[in-house]
Amino acid sequence: GQQVMQIPQYQHVQEGEDFTTYCNSSTTLSNIQWYKQRPGGHPVFLIQLVKSGEVKKQKRLTFQFGEAKKNSSLHITATQTTDVGTYFCAGPRGGSNYKLTFGKGTLLTVNP
Amino acid sequence: DGGITQSPKYLFRKEGQNVTLSCEQNLNHDAMYWYRQDPGQGLRLIYYSQIVNDFQKGDIAEGYSVSREKKESFPLTVTSAQKNPTAFYLCASSMDRGASGANVLTFGAGSRLTVL
Repeated sequence: GQQVMQIPQYQHVQEGEDFTTYCNSSTTLSNIQWYKQRPGGHPVFLIQLVKSGEVKKQKRLTFQFGEAKKNSSLHITATQTTDVGTYFCAGPRGGSNYKLTFGKGTLLTVNP
Repeated sequence: DGGITQSPKYLFRKEGQNVTLSCEQNLNHDAMYWYRQDPGQGLRLIYYSQIVNDFQKGDIAEGYSVSREKKESFPLTVTSAQKNPTAFYLCASSMDRGASGANVLTFGAGSRLTVL
């Protein structure tokens, strides 16, 4: 079945450093979503990418969707302590709008 | 404020007992979902419901049951048949985007179940 792999599993950075997490799917995705979960919290939707090669920015966050629509990345510029949390990517499975396959997430910790 | 309310936030139960987790939304979303999250793991889909009185099994439905009698409510029962029930349970809802793409999920705050 479809698998969504995320790397790295953990990333610790000094405040001000950049951070990137990568998401790779075993199958072509119609779209990909990114969520953030703060420690002790619940996942919160960040963004959805639909088009091949799409790049979207949200302040210091840059999201990319690969040309083949099988991989994606999230890059944070100049991390802040408020960026701490686990970042998940998720893609629809089997043509269903209701079944999302989530990656295992990348836990980002930031040293002030 | 619109949102999803899950209760209880924390729950302790003895082995062999069934437990029901509540999920209510006032977002007027058609679809609702239950996910399970274990430490260091992604989210795994237990059940989902596209409309009232209809629901579908997800990837790990064994040992769980749901009902969808009202649009706003989607309770999850963790039965004694579930071998490893201790986990963080997340309820979510979404507006049906049809052909526009996968539905974007709004999550509740979660219920943490510990079976002693």
